[in-house]
Formats: sequence, C-alpha cells, structure tokens
Amino acid sequence: DGGITQSPKYLFRKEGQNVTLSCEQNLNHDAMYWYRQDPGQGLRLIYYSQIVNDFQKGDIAEGYSVSREKKESFPLTVTSAQKNPTAFYLCASSSRGTHQETQYFGPGTRLLVL
Amino acid sequence: LAKTTQPISMDSYEGQEVNITCSHNNIATNDYITWYQQFPSQGPRFIIQGYKTKVTNEVASLFIPADRKSSTLSLPRVSLSDTAVYYCLVGGEYGNKLVFGAGTILRVKS
Repeated sequence: DGGITQSPKYLFRKEGQNVTLSCEQNLNHDAMYWYRQDPGQGLRLIYYSQIVNDFQKGDIAEGYSVSREKKESFPLTVTSAQKNPTAFYLCASSSRGTHQETQYFGPGTRLLVL
Repeated sequence: LAKTTQPISMDSYEGQEVNITCSHNNIATNDYITWYQQFPSQGPRFIIQGYKTKVTNEVASLFIPADRKSSTLSLPRVSLSDTAVYYCLVGGEYGNKLVFGAGTILRVKS
C-alpha cells in the first residue's frame, strides 16, 4: 500500500530540547517537503528536497534542520532555536507528472511544548 | 509566484451544488491551477488540476475562463462529509514551491 507515513502522531517537547519528526514515503517520489500549519492558517513551507543529498530552505526554515540521505526518508529536526514550535507539521512528496506536480501529504505530526 | 484570493468561508446544505471561486490575476503562462481539500488534523488531499476550459473528475469540476485570471471549483450535491477547507494553488512547476493561502472553509449543513 503506497503512501506517506509520519511519526509520531503527537510529540511533546521540553524547553531546550531538540526533537525529530519522521517522514517516510514508498511512492518512489524524488521531491519531499515539510510544512508547518498553525490553527486557522494555511501551510507554510519549512524545507524541501528535490533529490537525495540536496535540500533547500523554505519560507520559515529558522530553527529547523533536515537531512535527505535516502530517497524514502526526509526527517525534520525542530531545534531549541525554534522558540514557538507548537504547530501541526505536514510532510509531502511529489513526482514530476505529465502536467505540473501534485503533492501527496502524510497524516501529520502535532508538536506540543511542555 | 501568483497570489490567489478565495472567500474565507461558505455555507451550504446537503444536496446542493457548491461553487468556490479563486482569483489569480498574475497567473503565469506555464502555471496550472490545483485545488486541495483538507479535513481537520489531516494532510491536504489533491482534488483536481487544470490549465484552461473545463476539467471534470469523479469528485469535482474545475472551470477556467479564457483569460485564466480566475477559476471555479464545483462540487456537485455536497454532503456533510464535504465540510473541509479548500485551497486553490497556482503554479507548481516541478521543484518550485507551492504557496498555500488560508483557503476557504466550507460548512455543509443538514
């Protein structure tokens, strides 16, 4: 069953702690993305990666880091430098289609600060 | 990236047809128009994509006039389960960033 998985569903962070959100896809997509969504808001792009071992900053990259060592995986680390990390985090992947890309999203991880 | 403007919210009743219009005055020649649906605490889901005229699939239709400065998502005979946020996006050339606005909150009532 192809798709995107994110874990955990809920994550709690203590002050000064780094936490890592997992994102895995078995769709054989080259591109992967991380978005942040605050209540009542649209999605904002944190980082994206078009190919293994390469990634680009999105609009709100400060306080976050990523790696792309494997095509299937694109973990996001929320560092202690991110002062307001409470949000819903969404991972997506996409392929180069016939027209323009379509992004497929995971179920999301909700990050809460203790 | 072309900016989009959508109504903040819309209300409808079960069984009605719902039309959500999106304005994108600065759409580029290569841009496509894509609509996503998002339920609370879930990731957005692709609904439909088009370039011009009309596109129809099993869940929706997309109407795009000749000047492409707007588009209308049409949901036939909505049900309570269609209550969600609907996002209109323009662009999406592979590898480029998609920009999600606040979307349109559709509330379907019985």
